[in-house]
Amino acid sequence: NAGVTQTPKFQVLKTGQSMTLQCAQDMNHEYMSWYRQDPGMGLRLIHYSVGAGITDQGEVPNGYNVSRSTTEDFPLRLLSAAPSQTSVYFCASSPDSKLTFFGQGTRLTVV
Amino acid sequence: EDQVTQSPEALRLQEGESSSLNCSYTVSGLRGLFWYRQDPGKGPEFLFTLYSAGEEKEKERLKATLTKKESFLHITAPKPEDSATYLCAVQALAGNNRKLIWGLGTSLAVNP
Repeated sequence: NAGVTQTPKFQVLKTGQSMTLQCAQDMNHEYMSWYRQDPGMGLRLIHYSVGAGITDQGEVPNGYNVSRSTTEDFPLRLLSAAPSQTSVYFCASSPDSKLTFFGQGTRLTVV
Repeated sequence: EDQVTQSPEALRLQEGESSSLNCSYTVSGLRGLFWYRQDPGKGPEFLFTLYSAGEEKEKERLKATLTKKESFLHITAPKPEDSATYLCAVQALAGNNRKLIWGLGTSLAVNP
């Protein structure tokens, strides 16, 4: 039982590049979400999903896309990376709408 | 405006010196208050959920309490391994949905 697994742990992108942050959970949780964490800003919700095939926007969705084709996987796509997207990204999953389990995070730097 | 404020921002304790962290909130329609612990370079780790004023939860040296306006995380006889950032989040109603509002955390350092 690995919990919530995020890959990669570190990534450096050039402005304009695209990439996908991977998130997988093996707890059969319906609710999954993506957050970014920035100094002085706290955790901010990017996108979330309440089940396979269902996604919705959080408070800072611009520049990011998500999909949920299976219960286990919830990838986050950066369409055209910008320096403002430099952050630490966390994926989380829960059996309901209450956050319970976080991944280890992906530290992204956009230069 | 819904808001969660944690204080102090940083706290340094000697091993065995008990203290409390504060999480004050102003939200409409509280649906739960959550405490998390975050170690450097890692994701937040869930500690407690509190739902109603007067409720208390305990885990080892930690005890969380809730009133109508704030929550306290009491740390009794802390050890160096309790050093971490402690995050508070409040779940509130947002139309037909619920939203989580996060505080900025209290960075706790416990010296041996």
